[in-house]
Amino acid sequence: DGGITQSPKYLFRKEGQNVTLSCEQNLNHDAMYWYRQDPGQGLRLIYYSQIVNDFQKGDIAEGYSVSREKKESFPLTVTSAQKNPTAFYLCASSIGSESYEQYFGPGTRLTVT
Amino acid sequence: AQSVTQLGSHVSVSEGALVLLRCNYSSSVPPYLFWYVQYPNQGLQLLLKYTSAATLVKGINGFEAEFKKSETSFHLTKPSAHMSDAAEYFCAVRPTQGGSEKLVFGKGTKLTVNP
Repeated sequence: DGGITQSPKYLFRKEGQNVTLSCEQNLNHDAMYWYRQDPGQGLRLIYYSQIVNDFQKGDIAEGYSVSREKKESFPLTVTSAQKNPTAFYLCASSIGSESYEQYFGPGTRLTVT
Repeated sequence: AQSVTQLGSHVSVSEGALVLLRCNYSSSVPPYLFWYVQYPNQGLQLLLKYTSAATLVKGINGFEAEFKKSETSFHLTKPSAHMSDAAEYFCAVRPTQGGSEKLVFGKGTKLTVNP
């Protein structure tokens, strides 16, 4: 079954710790995205990658970092520099630059105390 | 820059009633338009999309949306609400020009269906 997996579903961390969220896809999609969702705010783009070994900042990249060493994987690190890291994080992918829609994973809820 | 406005953060309907969720976009050139649905603590699922073909687009679960260029709108409708339609719905836009793949999302509308 093709799809996008995110793990873990729930993640708890202490303030000041870096944490890495996993995103894997077996859809053979070229492009991958990370969004942050807060209540009443919709989805905001953190980073995106159109091809392996390349990625671009989205609208709210400060305090986050990513890597794209493999086509199927796009991990997101939430660093201690992110002031309000508690949120629901969604990973998505699309076939490529000619594709219209994005497909989403189930999300990771991160709580930092 | 593209933007999307969803009128009404909460909409409540009775089971069997018409569902109407509103979406307006700002763009001088008609963009690609999407509606996604999100159930609690889950990811987003694509309901339907407009990509400059037919202006009336049919999606999954009995939903449809009509693209109206003159009104810069892409409202989502369903003739008869079901309890399982209770979820949050997001409208999104992607420019057709400029080479950007980025989707811009509205803030969402939470739909409640009352028995």
